[in-house]
Amino acid sequence: DQQVKQNSPSLSVQEGRISILNCDYTNSMFDYFLWYKKYPAEGPTFLISISSIKDKNEDGRFTVFLNKSAKHLSLHIVPSQPGDSAVYFCAAKKGGKLIFGQGTELSVKP
Amino acid sequence: DVKVTQSSRYLVKRTGEKVFLECVQDMDHENMFWYRQDPGLGLRLIYFSYDVKMKEKGDIPEGYSVSREKKERFSLILESASTNQTSMYLCASREVGGHEQFFGPGTRLTVL
Repeated sequence: DQQVKQNSPSLSVQEGRISILNCDYTNSMFDYFLWYKKYPAEGPTFLISISSIKDKNEDGRFTVFLNKSAKHLSLHIVPSQPGDSAVYFCAAKKGGKLIFGQGTELSVKP
Repeated sequence: DVKVTQSSRYLVKRTGEKVFLECVQDMDHENMFWYRQDPGLGLRLIYFSYDVKMKEKGDIPEGYSVSREKKERFSLILESASTNQTSMYLCASREVGGHEQFFGPGTRLTVL
């Protein structure tokens, strides 16, 4: 069973506009959520996180929103830049482990 | 800066071979993890270790084993490689109590 789902395999956005990446989860016991960014042939790098007791966390151009009642989180990137083109993974933490979604490939076009 | 290194970026092996993937971290992290990444499946946890000599099965441990003899090193072993183990393998480490895992660059393994 897929406890963390990213239902959009890909997303294409114009440079300067907002990118919104979505993630749904099923387990209400997750206590922390993270977003990772991955370029081809590189390991994932941490982007931003949010505790389950918060509903928003912001870091520069990146904001993560958590809606616990809907078991949904989203990552907003404003403004989007061509260098943001990568695969984005959401991850949910339970105990010592992270459970990852399938990833969404973001393409930001100039 | 946390640095996680993996012994090879690209590896090609034959079916039935025993394969060793090495991972070293330099930040004295207690926890280490091995994942594989496949298109459409995200990252799936193979094995993890909370401390030296300790190991726990992840979600897909079949066909794999691990070794953690030293704190900084976590090895993934494919006992008898099969074509369905062709994948990107990612190692990560994390300090105790932390949320973020730090990843290595990955090893792209092809089994022919």
